[in-house]
Amino acid sequence: EADIYQTPRYLVIGTGKKITLECSQTMGHDKMYWYQQDPGMELHLIHYSYGVNSTEKGDLSSESTVSRIRTEHFPLTLESARPSHTSQYLCASRGRSGLETQYFGPGTRLLVL
Amino acid sequence: AQSVTQLDSHVSVSEGTPVLLRCNYSSSYSPSLFWYVQHPNKGLQLLLKYTSAATLVKGINGFEAEFKKSETSFHLTKPSAHMSDAAEYFCVVSTKSLMYSGGGADGLTFGKGTHLIIQP
Repeated sequence: EADIYQTPRYLVIGTGKKITLECSQTMGHDKMYWYQQDPGMELHLIHYSYGVNSTEKGDLSSESTVSRIRTEHFPLTLESARPSHTSQYLCASRGRSGLETQYFGPGTRLLVL
Repeated sequence: AQSVTQLDSHVSVSEGTPVLLRCNYSSSYSPSLFWYVQHPNKGLQLLLKYTSAATLVKGINGFEAEFKKSETSFHLTKPSAHMSDAAEYFCVVSTKSLMYSGGGADGLTFGKGTHLIIQP
């Protein structure tokens, strides 16, 4: 089983609050990803990183931001949460070599009231 | 461009009967294909992957999938369903081509998912 962790697992928060979703992996993977998944829908890539100090936006536009100061850590921040941000957020990582397998964390379910 | 179509949004089978989850893909280049499973309130777990080796791929929990280039399909099967198989299943395609553009980082494209229901 892959060692990739996300906290919190569940978060209920009011509109306008600043939140940070944590993602960490202990596999030394260079590549990390954030996906957004609405109930019953496919995953959409919102951010990715190929290494320290590398961050890129994904396919789906998102008001969130990310940072990659350490290899093992890839937090996602929403400066001012809104109800439209209610979703599940999944973090993933992948090594430099290998056969393109991404390992996923358990996800954070966010509800913005 | 590449795409993935999971032909059924929901599949319902009785426990002990075979499972078939259908996936068709399109890709301009030589693809890698994956199946992931997502149990309620859990993250995605890799079931199996095809990367241009054997066309019949065996995965965890008794699942297997066959890559058929002529049909552009990668259907997931299991001979006998178990209650614990109830989950959401995602078919994913990835291209290895350096010329690929679109589909996000590493060219990964997810299907919309198939919800597998197991009836006792």
